[in-house]
Amino acid sequence: AQSVTQLDSQVPVFEEAPVELRCNYSSSVSVYLFWYVQYPNQGLQLLLKYLSGSTLVESINGFEAEFNKSQTSFHLRKPSVHISDTAEYFCAVSGAAGNKLTFGGGTRVLVKP
Amino acid sequence: GAVVSQHPSWVICKSGTSVKIECRSLDFQATTMFWYRQFPKQSLMLMATSNEGSKATYEQGVEKDKFLINHASLTLSTLTVTSAHPEDSSFYICSARQGAGMNTEAFFGQGTRLTVV
Repeated sequence: AQSVTQLDSQVPVFEEAPVELRCNYSSSVSVYLFWYVQYPNQGLQLLLKYLSGSTLVESINGFEAEFNKSQTSFHLRKPSVHISDTAEYFCAVSGAAGNKLTFGGGTRVLVKP
Repeated sequence: GAVVSQHPSWVICKSGTSVKIECRSLDFQATTMFWYRQFPKQSLMLMATSNEGSKATYEQGVEKDKFLINHASLTLSTLTVTSAHPEDSSFYICSARQGAGMNTEAFFGQGTRLTVV
């Protein structure tokens, strides 16, 4: 069985400040890790993913996440946020043997001017 | 990226009626589709996994007779909420994956907000 814990349900942050969204997982098998973003009343969009290789993965809009196997974490960071980054962010895990995603509880990011 | 379209975006129905939600992969063939349910301010909960041409696999606690899933073609899956009740009101999201390997990304529809009155 797999589980994902997002420690912060809400993160208020000022524009141009850095932000970190924490994600920890548990799994008995090797995992693949994902971050998704959800804007109000919309589906999910993939932000970035870790499948193998370099433990640091980046998205095209400035987010990055680092897979830390020893700490079973996949925290998401952005050095400088924009108002448009206001959204809900979900961390998800998928096992090697299957392809269904298990989601964390989500972190709501509110960027203030 | 690939596009997954859900229809309708929102629907209001009377208690006791049935509602069908469609999920289409517009520019790829989806061998596997997933249906999720999301309550307000909560995460997505997987309801079922469907593979084209076979019966859906439901997660524990999901009533298969209430939430009927059909994946008749490689581009279309439907979720029918039968005899809907107010507690079925939720945001339903589908996702579709091309192939079964882990390098294949799952693309999500925009969701359907169901309100049962």
